[in-house]
Amino acid sequence: SAVISQKPSRDICQRGTSLTIQCQVDSQVTMMFWYRQQPGQSLTLIATANQGSEATYESGFVIDKFPISRPNLTFSTLTVSNMSPEDSSIYLCSAQGDYGYTFGSGTRLTVV
Amino acid sequence: EDQVTQSPEALRLQEGESSSLNCSYTVSGLRGLFWYRQDPGKGPEFLFTLYSAGEEKEKERLKATLTKKESFLHITAPKPEDSATYLCAVQVGTGGFKTIFGAGTRLFVKA
Repeated sequence: SAVISQKPSRDICQRGTSLTIQCQVDSQVTMMFWYRQQPGQSLTLIATANQGSEATYESGFVIDKFPISRPNLTFSTLTVSNMSPEDSSIYLCSAQGDYGYTFGSGTRLTVV
Repeated sequence: EDQVTQSPEALRLQEGESSSLNCSYTVSGLRGLFWYRQDPGKGPEFLFTLYSAGEEKEKERLKATLTKKESFLHITAPKPEDSATYLCAVQVGTGGFKTIFGAGTRLFVKA
């Protein structure tokens, strides 16, 4: 299965600033996914990122707030823009492997 | 509306006490059902994929089964290291597809 390196693992940010999260996959994957996980809750899909096309966002998430880049088949970034305390959460990237979906280790974001 | 419900929310077992976790789903166009294990501070770790009713998968002390309405994750003689949150997810759709996660079951196994 694909292995995903995600960074940073955690960050504390000031409100109004932006943070870019990076995910590097050790093999080429067609689709990558970005999720948000609130403490003690399950995963909510933010968007699906295909290489060479714009990301597809789920209801409640917009490109201006969560711009995504997918420059090649092994890399993607998610930016959390103009952050507020409500954006404090764990952000996870995922890619489809041979038998299921592999996840990065997550980025724990705290906005103060 | 597509929905995935896991029960119980939390389960406390003694070491060696077998039990089952439930994942019920109401979706259209089921493509597959996944089970994941998530440890605190880590991303979900893939366990199983099930595609059709009647299918079963096993891995060590875990066995996953699937019917048309639900899936069970059976844990046989659990050990403390099995303590984690177990997530169920379904993949739905015909053209594009998306994955919907349940809220998870937090399992605590006491020695």
